[in-house]
Amino acid sequence: EADIYQTPRYLVIGTGKKITLECSQTMGHDKMYWYQQDPGMELHLIHYSYGVNSTEKGDLSSESTVSRIRTEHFPLTLESARPSHTSQYLCASRRQDTDTQYFGPGTRLTVL
Amino acid sequence: ILNVEQSPQSLHVQEGDSTNFTCSFPSSNFYALHWYRWETAKSPEALFVMTLNGDEKKKGRISATLNTKEGYSYLYIKGSQPEDSATYLCASPDSSASKIIFGSGTRLSIRP
Repeated sequence: EADIYQTPRYLVIGTGKKITLECSQTMGHDKMYWYQQDPGMELHLIHYSYGVNSTEKGDLSSESTVSRIRTEHFPLTLESARPSHTSQYLCASRRQDTDTQYFGPGTRLTVL
Repeated sequence: ILNVEQSPQSLHVQEGDSTNFTCSFPSSNFYALHWYRWETAKSPEALFVMTLNGDEKKKGRISATLNTKEGYSYLYIKGSQPEDSATYLCASPDSSASKIIFGSGTRLSIRP
């Protein structure tokens, strides 16, 4: 079982609020990823990180930002939430030797 | 950007029947091919990682084959059971191997 955690699991919030979605892993993986997934749609990469102090934007434009101050922690922040941010957000880390990604349980975000 | 495609988009199969579906990817600069199973209300879980042309992997009733020359992989499920109902994702790292590109998935439903 993968040791990757996301909090909160569910979040309902009003427009304009600042929110941070937490993701942490205890496997020591350097590479971590954030994906966004709308119901019935594919996973879209929004951010990734090669390691501490490394962050890159993914293929899908996103108004969120990420940070990677510690290997195990990769939080995602929305400065001002909007209804268009309503989605599921999945965090993953990648094992170096097999390239397998391990996914967290996801955060389902609803912005009213 | 690497294009990973899956077909069909959805599949309904009678319990006990066998089934298969396809993942296609560009055959140039191939690095690896991953299969994941994503059950409702859970996070994606790795099934197989395949790297060599002609690779065949098996896990219980599920198996997968890989053809890197023509750029496709098949996933087979023998004797489908209700617990096989899930979305099956394939993914492949891009040419830089920094990002993993996911297909849109095949949604499998098993009819009892």
